[in-house]
Formats: sequence, structure tokens, C-alpha cells
Amino acid sequence: KAGVTQTPRYLIKTRGQQVTLSCSPISGHRSVSWYQQTPGQGLQFLFEYFSETQRNKGNFPGRFSGRQFSNSRSEMNVSTLELGDSALYLCASSWSGVTDTQYFGPGTRLTVL
Amino acid sequence: QKEVEQDPGPLSVPEGAIVSLNCTYSNSAFQYFMWYRQYSRKGPELLMYTYSSGNKEDGRFTAQVDKSSKYISLFIRDSQPSDSATYLCAMMQGGSEKLVFGKGTKLTVNP
Repeated sequence: KAGVTQTPRYLIKTRGQQVTLSCSPISGHRSVSWYQQTPGQGLQFLFEYFSETQRNKGNFPGRFSGRQFSNSRSEMNVSTLELGDSALYLCASSWSGVTDTQYFGPGTRLTVL
Repeated sequence: QKEVEQDPGPLSVPEGAIVSLNCTYSNSAFQYFMWYRQYSRKGPELLMYTYSSGNKEDGRFTAQVDKSSKYISLFIRDSQPSDSATYLCAMMQGGSEKLVFGKGTKLTVNP
């Protein structure tokens, strides 16, 4: 069974640009969560989607947004990039939500210059 | 005060040692408690999952939750070099679909 895949794996952007990251969950999983991981703040919850609906959102500015498609694939977008957005962005999928076992992808390493 | 506190270490032990990893939390509404292991350049993987208080054992790993003290622990017996990783605690309120993580403890097991 294929695991969670994230593309791209590495990305370099400059301040002010926008970026879109993609996550393909394990087949059959309908819940996708996104997290930001930095050395200073650790792993922080961004948002969770289930059947194309956002069910919960973390404490991030509106520049961070996401969506989920009917095939459960998900994208997150960050507009007007700031230096502090440099981080590892992880997505995780599960059958029905966070109380199920979540399987994480390898992450997308975003560097903002 | 952060919702979840975890000593970042680093923690270095000899092979075969018993390792104790801990987290404290402030939100008494947390009901679900998890431990994840993250190897370098990989995403976290779920190790242990406990609902409410009590102990849970899985092979060399034991998770303990003490809700009265707002304290959770992960014990690793007979530690191996392959256990070298960062260990993250995580917890959640029922119905919130929002996991709150500790910052992680970096563990090195020396052969």
C-alpha cells in the first residue's frame, strides 16, 4: 500500500511570493491534516480536512489556506511569504480523523529567502 | 504557559538502558495521548496511543498517562541504536480533530 506522498519535497521561494504544496493521502483515507514544523515552535497544527470540508483550523494567519478535492488529495497555499514561513510542512492522512492512526508524509521543506 | 511541555534534551544513553521520556500539559480537557517517533528527514510515525488515564504496553514500549498530575511518560526498555530518533508527545481534546504536540526529545542510543 503506497504511503502518503507530498510534492514537491524541497522548495525555495523569495519573500512576497506564494506557494502551493500538495499531499496525496493513503488510498481510502478521507481525513488530511497539515502541520508546520520548525526548530523553535515544533510541530504545529494548521488545519484538517474531511470529505472536502475544513473541520478545524490552527492559530495561523489567513495567508495560510488549504483545500481538499473529491479524491481526498489536498493542497495548502501560503500567500505573501515571509522569512518565518521557512519550515517543514507535513501532511498526515487517516480514515476518519485525528483519533484514528495518522500516517505522515515525508514533508515539504520550504525555504523563504 | 504552553499547553504541552516537553524537555528537548538531547538525551544520550548506552545500548540496553531504560529510557524515560515525559511531557506535562495544562489543558485538563485532553483525553487522547500519543507518542510519535521521528527519524531524521522523515515524517513522524505513531508509536503509542492511549485514551484517558492508565498504562499501555507494546513490546519494549510502555506509555503511561496520569491525568491527575497532567503528566504522560514513554518508557523504552532494552534500548537499541535503532531507537535513536526524536520522540514527540501529542494530545487532543475529544471531538476537536486538533492535535497539540510537544517540541520533541532527541534521543541517541550509543552502541
